[in-house]
Amino acid sequence: AQSVTQLDSQVPVFEEAPVELRCNYSSSVSVYLFWYVQYPNQGLQLLLKYLSGSTLVKGINGFEAEFNKSQTSFHLRKPSVHISDTAEYFCAVKRAAGNKLTFGGGTRVLVKP
Amino acid sequence: DAGVTQSPTHLIKTRGQQVTLRCSPKSGHDTVSWYQQALGQGPQFIFQYYEEEERQRGNFPDRFSGHQFPNYSSELNVNALLLGDSALYLCASSLAFRAGAFQETQYFGPGTRLLVL
Repeated sequence: AQSVTQLDSQVPVFEEAPVELRCNYSSSVSVYLFWYVQYPNQGLQLLLKYLSGSTLVKGINGFEAEFNKSQTSFHLRKPSVHISDTAEYFCAVKRAAGNKLTFGGGTRVLVKP
Repeated sequence: DAGVTQSPTHLIKTRGQQVTLRCSPKSGHDTVSWYQQALGQGPQFIFQYYEEEERQRGNFPDRFSGHQFPNYSSELNVNALLLGDSALYLCASSLAFRAGAFQETQYFGPGTRLLVL
């Protein structure tokens, strides 16, 4: 079985400052990794995904994430946040051979002016 | 290109009642998965439908059941509602290469927020 741990439940950050959201996963088989964003009262939107190849993945809205197999991590970063980045962010894993997503508990990002 | 749609957007029920939630997948997708997201938590996988059959199920009781129609749309039914069933119910669609193999990305709808009183 897979599991995902998002180490920070809340991350306050000032506008134009960088942010890093941490995600660690556990799995005995090959997995794909995802970051989704959920704006208030909305569904989930895919930010980026890691399937294979380059460990640095770029996504939408200026976000990027780095896959580290030895540390089983997939941390999300953005060099300069905007007020509009205020949302909840979810890290998720999926077995390469399956179709079920396993999510972490989420990290709430609050961008302050 | 129509994305994933869900109805209704909000629903209020009382304990013991039954509820049906509906989902239409993204155009071109044939697989539907349902997730429950309790307040302040990440989504939890309920089950997945492909070719009108339940293919995989999470740790949810039999009170949760579903159906997939020939046009790939899906329903989630919950019987004998409990207060703890209050949550946002998310539908996600994807495309199968073949039975047991799926494209890697799931696309989510806006969800149905269910409140059980």
